[in-house]
Amino acid sequence: ETGVTQTPRHLVMGMTNKKSLKCEQHLGHNAMYWYKQSAKKPLELMFVYNFKEQTENNSVPSRFSPECPNSSHLFLHLHTLQPEDSALYLCASSQGGLGDETQYFGPGTRLLVL
Amino acid sequence: LAKTTQPISMDSYEGQEVNITCSHNNIATNDYITWYQQFPSQGPRFIIQGYKTKVTNEVASLFIPADRKSSTLSLPRVSLSDTAVYYCLVGDIIGSARQLTFGSGTQLTVLP
Repeated sequence: ETGVTQTPRHLVMGMTNKKSLKCEQHLGHNAMYWYKQSAKKPLELMFVYNFKEQTENNSVPSRFSPECPNSSHLFLHLHTLQPEDSALYLCASSQGGLGDETQYFGPGTRLLVL
Repeated sequence: LAKTTQPISMDSYEGQEVNITCSHNNIATNDYITWYQQFPSQGPRFIIQGYKTKVTNEVASLFIPADRKSSTLSLPRVSLSDTAVYYCLVGDIIGSARQLTFGSGTQLTVLP
């Protein structure tokens, strides 16, 4: 247990569905991240939030929409996804601000788009 | 961001010491070296972090030479459960939230 939880752990959705991934951290951190990991590929950063403000968007398609209502929660809203979006989606958190930026990862959500 | 180079894969046997070396020729003055471990279908897990010389914790040791252009993760007496992908990352750890650049990592397979 890293103190970062993600739900659901597995998700199957059609291309016309709308779903959301949830991440919650219990570490008192102020920065949260979404990563995508496709099969046999390195992790790709998608979004970064620091003190609830989005500080990075790595050219992610608009069908992925992040939301960070507070420092403990991070959502990734999904709509009209493509089969190539099937991947492991990982959430991470770090201290943020001027602190140690070691990131702690959740277990991930395995997403399959049909 | 400093680029890192690691072997793609390594095999070892239970009980042996495993050393995985990472090259990072363009490391900057403020950069730290961090290693993560990832099991299939799980998020990466922080293992160890260092700036120079040697760092040891309950899981591993990290050796960093004076020029800091490489680092070696040492896993003592590995077991089957140490089979995983190991990532070496280099970057400044202090300051605002920042991007971690993961390479392909090293797939360590521990054999009985």
